[in-house]
Amino acid sequence: GDSVTQMEGPVTLSEEAFLTINCTYTATGYPSLFWYVQYPGEGLQLLLKATKADDKGSNKGFEATYRKETTSFHLEKGSVQVSDSAVYFCALTGSRGGSNYKLTFGKGTLLTVNP
Amino acid sequence: DAMVIQNPRYQVTQFGKPVTLSCSQTLNHNVMYWYQQKSSQAPKLLFHYYDKDFNNEADTPDNFQSRRPNTSFCFLDIRSPGLGDAAMYLCATSSGGTSGGPVLNEQFFGPGTRLTVL
Repeated sequence: GDSVTQMEGPVTLSEEAFLTINCTYTATGYPSLFWYVQYPGEGLQLLLKATKADDKGSNKGFEATYRKETTSFHLEKGSVQVSDSAVYFCALTGSRGGSNYKLTFGKGTLLTVNP
Repeated sequence: DAMVIQNPRYQVTQFGKPVTLSCSQTLNHNVMYWYQQKSSQAPKLLFHYYDKDFNNEADTPDNFQSRRPNTSFCFLDIRSPGLGDAAMYLCATSSGGTSGGPVLNEQFFGPGTRLTVL
């Protein structure tokens, strides 16, 4: 079945540092890929998405590119802020045309940004 | 703003006492999901409604049930909560294509209800 493997945390960075959280996936066909963010005590918020190969999702300074050749969707940000401290989940839904529309999540990566 | 609303945000119940969690949405999405999330873990799908069709995950305990009286509302019923059911419960919605077709869009999550079992 489908699966998502993401970099284990926790990740601790200083403000303005560069962030990369690795995410790779296993799925048949052409899944849609997502990054969700969860702030303490809150639900999940969609951070960005990509629905086909070579698409780049971006939002709030975060970016991720759908790489089918390496089955990856790594999250990056050039300069993190304290307010970016949260748990980040990589996820996918089944390929277009299929019936698997449920989200498959990675285990989540806790990011802490220090001033 | 269109959104997913969960009430209450915090719920305390006693061991074995039935409890109901509520979710409503103003997005007019036809698919609604319930997830259980324990500390430091990814959300775990319990079940979902595709329109009026209920879809239970194979490993969801019988203790958990759900109702969807209309498009906007969905309820999670825990018949006899145990200590192990203490968790954050997340409701989510997404929009589907034609009935029975694949759902291609992202899921929108509510803020969650944190359940404590005493």
